[in-house]
This record gives sequence, structure tokens and C-alpha cells, in this order.
Amino acid sequence: NAGVTQTPKFRILKIGQSMTLQCTQDMNHNYMYWYRQDPGMGLKLIYYSVGAGITDKGEVPNGYNVSRSTTEDFPLRLELAAPSQTSVYFCASSYGNREGYTFGSGTRLTVV
Amino acid sequence: AQSVTQLDSQVPVFEEAPVELRCNYSSSVSVYLFWYVQYPNQGLQLLLKYLSGSTLVESINGFEAEFNKSQTSFHLRKPSVHISDTAEYFCAVSVRGSQGNLIFGKGTKLSVKP
Repeated sequence: NAGVTQTPKFRILKIGQSMTLQCTQDMNHNYMYWYRQDPGMGLKLIYYSVGAGITDKGEVPNGYNVSRSTTEDFPLRLELAAPSQTSVYFCASSYGNREGYTFGSGTRLTVV
Repeated sequence: AQSVTQLDSQVPVFEEAPVELRCNYSSSVSVYLFWYVQYPNQGLQLLLKYLSGSTLVESINGFEAEFNKSQTSFHLRKPSVHISDTAEYFCAVSVRGSQGNLIFGKGTKLSVKP
């Protein structure tokens, strides 16, 4: 049972480039989330999804987009990368809010 | 809206000493409470959670947390820490009956010294 898998683990982007952070889970969870983690700031919710075909904005959605075509996959798209998007990105999934989240191991992104 | 305050950003402690990591939350409705642990260069792992019932909850590695409704707190404690407990700890809250979005505190870095 792999849980939540994120790829890539590390990436360096130049300003203005775009990329997709991949996230897949094999637990049949309906709920999926994207967070970014910055030093001393905790985790900030970017986007979330309550099921295939349904997504919604979190606290810090600007500069990002998501899609949820299947239960398993929840990719995060960065368009026109900016230095402010340098961060560690975590994908998570859950059955619901009683269970807590299962997190992936993260993607460390640097925009230069 | 809900919020979580972790009162200490860093807590240094010697091995085998007791430790308390403080967490206070703000909410006008009933909540679920969680503690997560993040070891260096890893994702977050669920440590323990309070849903209902007994206000004292325990983890498998000796941590415990007590829900105090009157003080809106959920402090994490361990009577004797090990070097391997060095990590960052996050308190989180979600609203009962909501779709499940967790609100996280800013984290407390626990550093256990020999």
C-alpha cells in the first residue's frame, strides 16, 4: 500500500516556467488537498477536492490550478512560476475530517 | 473562523526530560483536534487525535494530549523524551460536520539534546 505518492521530490524552475506537481493515492479517499509549507508559517491550503470532478480554492490559490479527473489523481499546476512560489508542497488525502490526513513526502520547489 | 496558536516556535529539552508543547484553538463550534509530527525532510504523520469521549488521548510512542474545552487547549506532553523525538510538531483543528479541511498551527520544533 503506497499511500500518497508525490513526484517529483525536487525541482528547480526558472521564473516564468510552468510545471505540474503530481499526486496520486491508492486508498480510495474522496478528499484530497494541496498545501504549501514555508519556514515558520505552518501549512497553507492551496486547493482541495471532495471528489472526482469537484475542486475548490483554499487560502492561497493564486498562481495555481488543479484538476481531479479521477479519484486517485490530483495534480497541481503552476503557471508562470514566480520566486514567491519557492516552497515545499504537500499533497494529502482523507476519508473525512474524523480520520485526519495521509500526507505525501513532499515536493521541494525552488524558483530562480 | 477557526484558528490554531502554537505558543512556542522552538522547544529545546534534554533527553529523558519531560516536555509539553502548547496548542490553543479558537472556534465557535465543536471541533476535532489533531497533532501531527514531521521528521526532517519527510511529510507529516498523524500522531494522535481527539474526536469525542475521554479528553486524554495517547499515541503509540508515549505522547499524550488532553482536550480542555474551557481553556480551548490541546497540549501535547511526553514524560520522558528521546533523541528520536526531535521533529516539528503541528497542532490542527477541523470543524465537526464540515468537509474536513484542517487548519494548522505554525508548528513547534522540538530539539532533544543528549
